[in-house]
Amino acid sequence: GDSVTQMEGPVTLSEEAFLTINCTYTATGYPSLFWYVQYPGEGLQLLLKATKADDKGSNKGFEATYRKETTSFHLEKGSVQVSDSAVYFCALSGYQTGANNLFFGTGTRLTVIP
Amino acid sequence: NAGVTQTPKFQVLKTGQSMTLQCAQDMNHEYMSWYRQDPGMGLRLIHYSVGAGITDQGEVPNGYNVSRSTTEDFPLRLLSAAPSQTSVYFCASSYSNRLGQETQYFGPGTRLLVL
Repeated sequence: GDSVTQMEGPVTLSEEAFLTINCTYTATGYPSLFWYVQYPGEGLQLLLKATKADDKGSNKGFEATYRKETTSFHLEKGSVQVSDSAVYFCALSGYQTGANNLFFGTGTRLTVIP
Repeated sequence: NAGVTQTPKFQVLKTGQSMTLQCAQDMNHEYMSWYRQDPGMGLRLIHYSVGAGITDQGEVPNGYNVSRSTTEDFPLRLLSAAPSQTSVYFCASSYSNRLGQETQYFGPGTRLLVL
């Protein structure tokens, strides 16, 4: 079945450091891939997405490229800020019945220190 | 637009009690769903609906019931609460898309504690 494997955390970085959070997936067909972010005490919100192979999603300085050959969708940011501290979830949505259903990774908690 | 709203924000139940978690959206989305979030397990799908009158089970449906009588509302019912249902519950909605490309919009969550 469909699944997402996400880099375990927590991750602690100094401000302006480079961030990578790894995400790989298993799916039939051609899923859409998402990164959602959860700030403390809030619900999830979309950070970026990519709907086909080689697409690059980007938002707020974050980027991720849909790599079909390596079944990966790693999240990167060149210079993190304290305000980026949150939990990041990689997710995919299916291609068959229940196509809008999301399969989530376990989440990676990022803490950025000044 | 209020987006996706959930009530209550926090609830304490005793084992065996029943309750309904409310979810409403004002974006005219066809698709709505319920997830539970547990430490170290990400979010897991409980039930979903692709339109009024249509519901289906997700990954962890046992102990939960849903119905969808209107496009706007998608309540989640716990018929007999158990400590294993202690969790944070999120409702989400989106337009329906057969390729699953639509962005999901999440509510703020309901934190449930079952004693």
